Amino acid sequence: EVQLVESGGGLVKPGGSLRLSCAASGFTFSSYSMNWVRQAPGKGLEWVSSISSSSSYIYYADSVKGRFTISRDNAKNSLYLQMNSLRAEDTAVYYCARVAPVVTADYWGQGTLVTVSS
Amino acid sequence: EIVMTQSPATLSVSPGERATLSCRASQSVSSNLAWYQQKPGQAPRLLIYGASTRATGIPARFSGSGSGTEFTLTISSLQSEDFAVYYCQQYNNWPPRLTFGGGTKVEIK
Repeated sequence: EVQLVESGGGLVKPGGSLRLSCAASGFTFSSYSMNWVRQAPGKGLEWVSSISSSSSYIYYADSVKGRFTISRDNAKNSLYLQMNSLRAEDTAVYYCARVAPVVTADYWGQGTLVTVSS
Repeated sequence: EIVMTQSPATLSVSPGERATLSCRASQSVSSNLAWYQQKPGQAPRLLIYGASTRATGIPARFSGSGSGTEFTLTISSLQSEDFAVYYCQQYNNWPPRLTFGGGTKVEIK
């Protein structure tokens, strides 16, 4: 069974940093690209970043470019999102999602809440 | 950037009735469109990909149609567990960009 479990969320002050993790199991993690998608409270879904299976290709939404860094450790079956210079508008539930051959998000984790507030 | 517009924002439907949700793209996305269902406090769940292919385990009452810029998700006979928010997503120009529609909330009439 495919499982994705996010962790690392919490309350952080504006300008602060946080590192999110996503632990994957039930599939060959090293064979799949992965996404981070976020959802602000009461709002819709927003794509944040993508990383290819070997980390050769990395993409970011304009809203986080230069502040967030996506990475992965295939030996540990883990995906990461380093978030720096956090702003109030980064407050959201952050989901990791697997990229399948035919669609960009077939399995999702349960999400981790990041709150940016003073 | 491709903008995805969903309508209506809220759809009130009685159990057992048909629900028809629309999604429009600002430019052609071919058939590179997915639909997701999200219930309160839960992660999104993939329903449809390739505009019309049901994901594994999705009941046949869910169907998708369309191509280019106009897409439809139809729920043929609403069950109590189908009341949720539905999002469309284009992946035609991914990488590098993925975009979601604003969502349609299907509520009990």
